[in-house]
Amino acid sequence: GENVEQHPSTLSVQEGDSAVIKCTYSDSASNYFPWYKQELGKRPQLIIDIRSNVGEKKDQRIAVTLNKTAKHFSLHITETQPEDSAVYFCAARVVGGGADGLTFGKGTHLIIQP
Amino acid sequence: DSGVTQTPKHLITATGQRVTLRCSPRSGDLSVYWYQQSLDQGLQFLIQYYNGEERAKGNILERFSAQQFPDLHSELNLSSLELGDSALYFCASSSGGSDTQYFGPGTRLTVL
Repeated sequence: GENVEQHPSTLSVQEGDSAVIKCTYSDSASNYFPWYKQELGKRPQLIIDIRSNVGEKKDQRIAVTLNKTAKHFSLHITETQPEDSAVYFCAARVVGGGADGLTFGKGTHLIIQP
Repeated sequence: DSGVTQTPKHLITATGQRVTLRCSPRSGDLSVYWYQQSLDQGLQFLIQYYNGEERAKGNILERFSAQQFPDLHSELNLSSLELGDSALYFCASSSGGSDTQYFGPGTRLTVL
């Protein structure tokens, strides 16, 4: 089955700086890659997603890039703010395959230092 | 608010017991997914239902089962509970033609 590796497990950046979180996946059939933000004790919230026919997607301060050949995708957050502090999860999924659930990475705890 | 509801919010029970977790998907969504989140295993996909039928299985134990009813709400049944089953259980829903899964607030299960 699919395996998703996520790095780093903890990331501390100064407020206003950029943060980058990287993920790799194993199943070349995966074609959908969402990113979720989870605050302590709360539900995962979708912040951005990308499909395999697109190389990059941007939404204000958040962007995601996908390299299908290398089987990795990254989340970029620019001009970080204190409210960006949370755990971020990447995930991969084969849409239309036998198992339609998301396979998640282990998460990155992003800490924004004031 | 994602539009997905889950009850109860918290559940405390003893080893060997059986519990039922309930999920109501967003209006119009036909797919319901169940996930388990624990410190050691992370977020793991358990099972998916689509319009009342089981669609896909992930890392779901034989002691666990689920179903989706005609009104599209879903229940996850956990039996012969063990200490290691203590976790946050999330359900998520999506529409038939969309990849996006919206998560509910979760049920925190504590097995003593």
